[in-house]
Amino acid sequence: DVVVTQSPLSLPVTLGQPASISCRSSQSLVYGDGNTYLNWFHQRPGQSPRRLIYKVSNRDSGVPDRFSGSGSGTDFTLKISRVEAEDVGVFYCMQGTHWPGTFGQGTKLEIK
Amino acid sequence: EVQVAESGGGLVQPGGSLRLSCAASGFTFSSFAMSWVRQAPGKGLEWVSTISGSGGNTYFADSVKGRFTISRDNSKNTLYLQMNSLRAEDTAVYFCARGITTPDYWGQGTLVTVSS
Repeated sequence: DVVVTQSPLSLPVTLGQPASISCRSSQSLVYGDGNTYLNWFHQRPGQSPRRLIYKVSNRDSGVPDRFSGSGSGTDFTLKISRVEAEDVGVFYCMQGTHWPGTFGQGTKLEIK
Repeated sequence: EVQVAESGGGLVQPGGSLRLSCAASGFTFSSFAMSWVRQAPGKGLEWVSTISGSGGNTYFADSVKGRFTISRDNSKNTLYLQMNSLRAEDTAVYFCARGITTPDYWGQGTLVTVSS
């Protein structure tokens, strides 16, 4: 299986400050159709994951523009320009290029 | 509005069986692959199984291959996961999700506890 590695695993951030999460895969995530199926999810305690970003950099409807995704090949990044209280929870990257889809370990964001 | 909702979880003894259901609405069910993803208590997310829109193709994680079966009834807009020979390590919240490469809509999950 493709191994997806996130860092950091814990991310204490002051409200209003930026944050960044790295996601690296053990294989290229470029699929034969030219797309790169790297997604980002946010999970609040007791809730199901919510997709924020799909195919590296496409924001889902209703996701604030302070969230942005970038990267290519095996290295990807989720950036939050200004952290807000509602961002607490765990962020996961997930690759859907290779079967089975695999998730990173999760990055727990907390407010300092 | 797209909605998916799981049901069927519960407490089962090791070696037992359970069938989960996922009712979908708000989209053309047969046009989408559907997947099951699980999360053990306090742990991360693990892909379990996927079925194509027609039901003709199915995929399983190695951890459940030979024990779990995925199916769908497109006339009822419902996805199923039949789980046999359950083990303690199958204890998790099971989510159904629409899609395979970029799963977009997820249900709230149903808890499966395997314990004697």
